[in-house]
Amino acid sequence: DIQMTQSPSSLSASVGDTVTISCRASQSIGSYLNWYQQKPGKAPKFLIYAASILQSGVPSRFSGSGSGTDFTLTISSLQPEDFATYYCQQSYNTLYTFGQGTKLEIK
Amino acid sequence: QVQLVQSGAEVKKPGASVKLSCETSGYTFTHFDMHWVRQAPGQRLEWMGWINTGNGNTEYSQTFQARITITRDTSATTVYMELSSLRSEDTALYYCARGGDSNSYFDYWGQGTLVTVSS
Repeated sequence: DIQMTQSPSSLSASVGDTVTISCRASQSIGSYLNWYQQKPGKAPKFLIYAASILQSGVPSRFSGSGSGTDFTLTISSLQPEDFATYYCQQSYNTLYTFGQGTKLEIK
Repeated sequence: QVQLVQSGAEVKKPGASVKLSCETSGYTFTHFDMHWVRQAPGQRLEWMGWINTGNGNTEYSQTFQARITITRDTSATTVYMELSSLRSEDTALYYCARGGDSNSYFDYWGQGTLVTVSS
């Protein structure tokens, strides 16, 4: 299976800050990388697919980049509703795997 | 609007089976496949398997291959996931998630069903 590793595991930031979350795949996955946001007690919400394409309705302060094995999710001008846990997920093959998550907390 | 509504929480004893449902609405059922993903307490999301809602073909994670069965009822636009030989480690939130763009991502998720396995 393709292993997905996120860093950092947790992150503290303030409203208005810009943060970056990294995701690394154990092998090249091209651009088959998706990002999800999960708030406590809620189902994951789909944010970005193909590494950099925003799902409809997702605010433009979210952006994704990368290809191959290294990817990033950037959130600029953090809003209160952005504090959540973020997961990357590979869809290079149908043995889908997720990163361990990055918890974004308010400083 | 697309909705995936899952069945309610379950409490099971070790060794038992559980069958969860995911009722869909707001789109053409057979045009999108359905996946099951689980999340144990404090753990990452874990993909379990999926079903082609058109022809009923399935694919399962090796982790669950021997214990999982995913089925669908096209007339009820509902997908089911049965997990057998339950153990305490199966205590988790179980989600159904719609496969978008030929299963390149999971674009809509159910609200989750908590399964607790305890003697």
